[in-house]
Amino acid sequence: DQQVKQNSPSLSVQEGRISILNCDYTNSMFDYFLWYKKYPAEGPTFLISISSIKDKNEDGRFTVFLNKSAKHLSLHIVPSQPGDSAVYFCAANSNMGGSNYKLTFGKGTLLTVNP
Amino acid sequence: DTGVSQNPRHKITKRGQNVTFRCDPISEHNRLYWYRQTLGQGPEFLTYFQNEAQLEKSRLLSDRFSAERPKGSFSTLEIQRTEQGDSAMYLCASSLVQNQPQHFGDGTRLSIL
Repeated sequence: DQQVKQNSPSLSVQEGRISILNCDYTNSMFDYFLWYKKYPAEGPTFLISISSIKDKNEDGRFTVFLNKSAKHLSLHIVPSQPGDSAVYFCAANSNMGGSNYKLTFGKGTLLTVNP
Repeated sequence: DTGVSQNPRHKITKRGQNVTFRCDPISEHNRLYWYRQTLGQGPEFLTYFQNEAQLEKSRLLSDRFSAERPKGSFSTLEIQRTEQGDSAMYLCASSLVQNQPQHFGDGTRLSIL
């Protein structure tokens, strides 16, 4: 049972345009969400996070939106740059039940930004 | 901030052999995590240390797997009697406190012949 789902395996956008990566979750106990970027042969790199008490968090070109009622979050990258081409993972954890250390990841979305 | 360091980067071994990986977390981080990633999947949680105490092990971690974190610094992950299904990327991460992002190393890629 996959608790974090990234339903788009890949996404292609033009340089300068907006990239929108989506993530859905099923576990209502999740209350902290993160996005990681991964280049080939490297480990995941933390990008941005959001707590369930917020619905938006922004850091430079990256904005994460959280819709708790829909159990949906999205990552917006504006403007997209060729260096953003990577696999993006959505992850979540819960502070309840003593499992606040365990991240649950989606399968990732491969973003390609074309010059 | 030197980041999380993992060694070796690649390990090729024959089925049935034992292997050991090492992780050096970011120096002031007291929390350390191991994950496993297979092709086309996201990382999956294996185990977690707070300082030297191993607080949880996933059911993915069979009795052939053992992890240690002596003195609450570096950690080792050992796999005994390796099997084909153990082929994966083994990732280590560390964090300072709860609800702080986990920072990952570049992983150890294990290939079983």
